[in-house]
Formats: sequence, C-alpha cells, structure tokens
Amino acid sequence: EDQVTQSPEALRLQEGESSSLNCSYTVSGLRGLFWYRQDPGKGPEFLFTLYSAGEEKEKERLKATLTKKESFLHITAPKPEDSATYLCAVPQGGSEKLVFGKGTKLTVNP
Amino acid sequence: NAGVTQTPKFRVLKTGQSMTLLCAQDMNHEYMYWYRQDPGMGLRLIHYSVGEGTTAKGEVPDGYNVSRLKKQNFLLGLESAAPSQTSVYFCASWFPNYGYTFGSGTRLTVV
Repeated sequence: EDQVTQSPEALRLQEGESSSLNCSYTVSGLRGLFWYRQDPGKGPEFLFTLYSAGEEKEKERLKATLTKKESFLHITAPKPEDSATYLCAVPQGGSEKLVFGKGTKLTVNP
Repeated sequence: NAGVTQTPKFRVLKTGQSMTLLCAQDMNHEYMYWYRQDPGMGLRLIHYSVGEGTTAKGEVPDGYNVSRLKKQNFLLGLESAAPSQTSVYFCASWFPNYGYTFGSGTRLTVV
C-alpha cells in the first residue's frame, strides 16, 4: 500500500532559524513527489514537483530535495509569512491520484 | 482565469438533509477529484473522474455520489447527511507536472 509519512507534525521556529521538514514515502515506481503549502481556510497551493533521486528545486527560502525513500523541505532563514501547513504527496500506483501525508504545521515567530 | 471554483464556501445541514457541492474548472483539465480534509486524518480521496461522463470511487466514497456531465463541472452529492460528514471538502483538477490545482474549499457542518 502506498504511504506518505510527514514529520514532525508541528514545528515552531524563530524568525531566521533554519530547519527541515521530512516526507518519507513507500510507493512502487515513483512518478513524482509533490510539495504543497496550505494556509488556514484555503486550498493547498503547489510548490514543487521532484521526479528522481538527487533532484533539488528552490523557491525563495524553500529548497526541496529527493532521495529514494524520502524528501526534505529545507527552510532557510524563515520569516513569519512562511507559517503554514506543508503537505507532500505521491501518485498512487502509477495513477494521477495523489496520496497525501498529514502535513507539517510550521509556525515562525517574529 | 479563475482556476478551480467551489460553491458554496460554507454550509450547515441538519442530519438527513441532502445537498450538492459544485466544482467548476476553466482549465480544460480531464481529471477532477473530490477530497475531504479532517483534523489528524489529512486529505482523503472521495471520488474522482478521468473525463466527461466518467466517475470512480476513491478511499472514502460511502455516503457520497458524484456526476461529471460536463467536462468543466464535477458535482459531489450527499443524499442523507450525517454528522460524520462534517468536514472541509476540496475539489481539485490535475495538471501534468504540477499535480493538483485546488479550489478554496467548502466547510460543511452537519448537526
């Protein structure tokens, strides 16, 4: 069964304190790993897609990396506006149905 | 370009009442999905569609029905609402390499 596990469930950082969020997955034949950001009361918004081990993508203070078993979302010098829930997801069984992790709620204090 | 639009945004139902949630997308996407999001449970797939006139069950389909009569619209129906269906419902459509584009959600409370 395809599974996605995110850790930690919640993370509190001080502004400027860098850290990483983890997404581990078990899926046969990975066809992409997706990262989304979700703000309270809104739908998830696309951040990154990673396809192969060793791949990295960056956007502002965020960098996503991928290995054969997990992905990391690195947050460098975060600001309060980075506070959100971050979700990762993988396609289930080679389909276009995404299986989501439960998310990491990030809070960045000024 | 509105993307994915969900209506209504909020709704309160009494147990046993019925309602339909509407999802409309203007991106000409073939694939559309309905998820529910509950605290501690994450996003769970209810039903999905791979094209006009098609529907299929997801992970938690019981108590829901769907229809995709037009490519741009995907409707989610609750025939007899139960308190266990209190949730936030998200519609999404699939865009290659970007995964899903989500709507802003419908917050449903069943009392």
